[in-house]
Amino acid sequence: DTEVTQTPKHLVMGMTNKKSLKCEQHMGHRAMYWYKQKAKKPPELMFVYSYEKLSINESVPSRFSPECPNSSLLNLHLHALQPEDSALYLCASSHLRDTQYFGPGTRLTVL
Amino acid sequence: ELKVEQNPLFLSMQEGKNYTIYCNYSTTSDRLYWYRQDPGKSLESLFVLLSNGAVKQEGRLMASLDTKARLSTLHITAAVHDLSATYFCAGRGTTSGTYKYIFGTGTRLKVLA
Repeated sequence: DTEVTQTPKHLVMGMTNKKSLKCEQHMGHRAMYWYKQKAKKPPELMFVYSYEKLSINESVPSRFSPECPNSSLLNLHLHALQPEDSALYLCASSHLRDTQYFGPGTRLTVL
Repeated sequence: ELKVEQNPLFLSMQEGKNYTIYCNYSTTSDRLYWYRQDPGKSLESLFVLLSNGAVKQEGRLMASLDTKARLSTLHITAAVHDLSATYFCAGRGTTSGTYKYIFGTGTRLKVLA
């Protein structure tokens, strides 16, 4: 199984809402990543988890809160987002020294 | 910190023609990746290049790596419409001992029939 799954596929939320994005992999990867991608731009790294511990936070605003409850799951909790946060959010996983596998992404729209 | 640049940003080419996408990176990257992204879709891994002089080929795509020049190329041979997509290269650096992947700006390829 070389699949990374993400739910939901699409999400529309208001600026006062709280929502969560979910990412799951069963490849035994110990590194998991969140990226944000705006249209026609490259993915921008947000967070890296290594062995379920947050190891990189690329100065992401606190309205984005990551969580890694176990080695297979990665969540991104969203609160009080702004319209400019609308983007494709990609999750990826890898063995620590290997290629990343990307999930299909969640298309987020903030109204 | 590692920076990755690609050119061209946009490439429109006729079917059957050959072309090359260039990827330059600023500091040492222990490996170089190439990805493909179709509109509205996620990233698909194409190649991982691990060492100087590495060359990998899949169908009409061939990637190479020159670590001394800090340059990778993605060569397209006899392009077909199905290759139309955005292609990203990515290098790998470290922050506090954790690997992080830095993407180039992407090359939007459009193959015209």
